[in-house]
Amino acid sequence: DQQVKQNSPSLSVQEGRISILNCDYTNSMFDYFLWYKKYPAEGPTFLISISSIKDKNEDGRFTVFLNKSAKHLSLHIVPSQPGDSAVYFCAASESYNTDKLIFGTGTRLQVFP
Amino acid sequence: ETGVTQSPTHLIKTRGQQVTLRCSSQSGHNTVSWYQQALGQGPQFIFQYYREEENGRGNFPPRFSGLQFPNYSSELNVNALELDDSALYLCASSRSGGAYEQYFGPGTRLTVT
Repeated sequence: DQQVKQNSPSLSVQEGRISILNCDYTNSMFDYFLWYKKYPAEGPTFLISISSIKDKNEDGRFTVFLNKSAKHLSLHIVPSQPGDSAVYFCAASESYNTDKLIFGTGTRLQVFP
Repeated sequence: ETGVTQSPTHLIKTRGQQVTLRCSSQSGHNTVSWYQQALGQGPQFIFQYYREEENGRGNFPPRFSGLQFPNYSSELNVNALELDDSALYLCASSRSGGAYEQYFGPGTRLTVT
């Protein structure tokens, strides 16, 4: 039972353009969502998060959008840079105060010059 | 500030054997979570330790067990290894509470033959 789904295993984007990574979830009890970035041979690194009371959170080039009715969130990277090439994981939690994260399967982003 | 470290980096074991993986938390963190990441999948929550007590467990059998020590370092033990246990094992530490505050180590790659 995959509660968090990332249906695109890979995405290729030209440098300077927008990258949009999508994530769907099934558990309506999730109320906190996070995006992690993972480079090879490293652990996941926290990127940005959003609480269910918001529909948008922005941090520099990264913006996360949450559509609760559709149980869908997306990560926008503008402008995309070659250093953004990594695997991106969407994760969800039932409470801000729990450390148990449910991860999606990841999307490999490649940003080419 | 020292980050999360894990040892060993790689490990090869035979089916039926036992393995111990180790994790050193980031300074000031008292909570450790362990995740299993199979090839092509997102990390799956195994269990969490808070102040030396198990504080939550995912859908893993009892042959997966753990310990947390007074210095908040941690061990993951897996008995009676199976081929499907081959995966990247990630440790994440945090201060109590706050899912976004998890800092991941680089992982231990376990191969069971």
